[in-house]
Amino acid sequence: EPEVTQTPSHQVTQMGQEVILRCVPISNHLYFYWYRQILGQKVEFLVSFYNNEISEKSEIFDDQFSVERPDGSNFTLKIRSTKLEDSAMYFCASRPPLGAYGYTFGSGTRLTVV
Amino acid sequence: KNEVEQSPQNLTAQEGEFITINCSYSVGISALHWLQQHPGGGIVSLFMLSSGKKKHGRLIATINIQEKHSSLHITASHPRDSAVYICAVFAGGTSYGKLTFGQGTILTVHP
Repeated sequence: EPEVTQTPSHQVTQMGQEVILRCVPISNHLYFYWYRQILGQKVEFLVSFYNNEISEKSEIFDDQFSVERPDGSNFTLKIRSTKLEDSAMYFCASRPPLGAYGYTFGSGTRLTVV
Repeated sequence: KNEVEQSPQNLTAQEGEFITINCSYSVGISALHWLQQHPGGGIVSLFMLSSGKKKHGRLIATINIQEKHSSLHITASHPRDSAVYICAVFAGGTSYGKLTFGQGTILTVHP
């Protein structure tokens, strides 16, 4: 069964450093998403990406965040200057063009900012 | 803004018991997902529903669109069912398909 692949599975970084979280969505999917889950809290929407541009973003997704699909297969989330409160599990997801069927999550990247 | 509420927040059961987890949402949707999250953190999709009822093995999911309510049932529960169960709603329309999540129900099944 097709999978969404995320790397790394765990990343530890120092406050103020830049991090890039990587995702390889399912190949025929057209919508891509990043979500995050702070420990003990709900999963929250960060951003959706379609047709090579951001289609929607939450208030969490401020100027320190950016997304890119540099080569038609990878989908990346960059956090420019990490803060302690960015520590969370970050999930990538993708889905095919029509409706909600086939919505698939990656296994997540646990980001720890120290 | 859609509010998604799950109940109960914590559920403890003995092996073999019938389990029900409920999910209510405040704004009309086009679909609802039931997801499972194990201690390692990964999320797995169990069901996607837009109406009626779906069954997969010991898992049954129902949705009532008019009442904005869905339930996930587990028959003959087993310790390996222990996980966090999350409902997430898909608004469709111009929302570009983002999901809004409930807070999750922590299920523990004892042998």
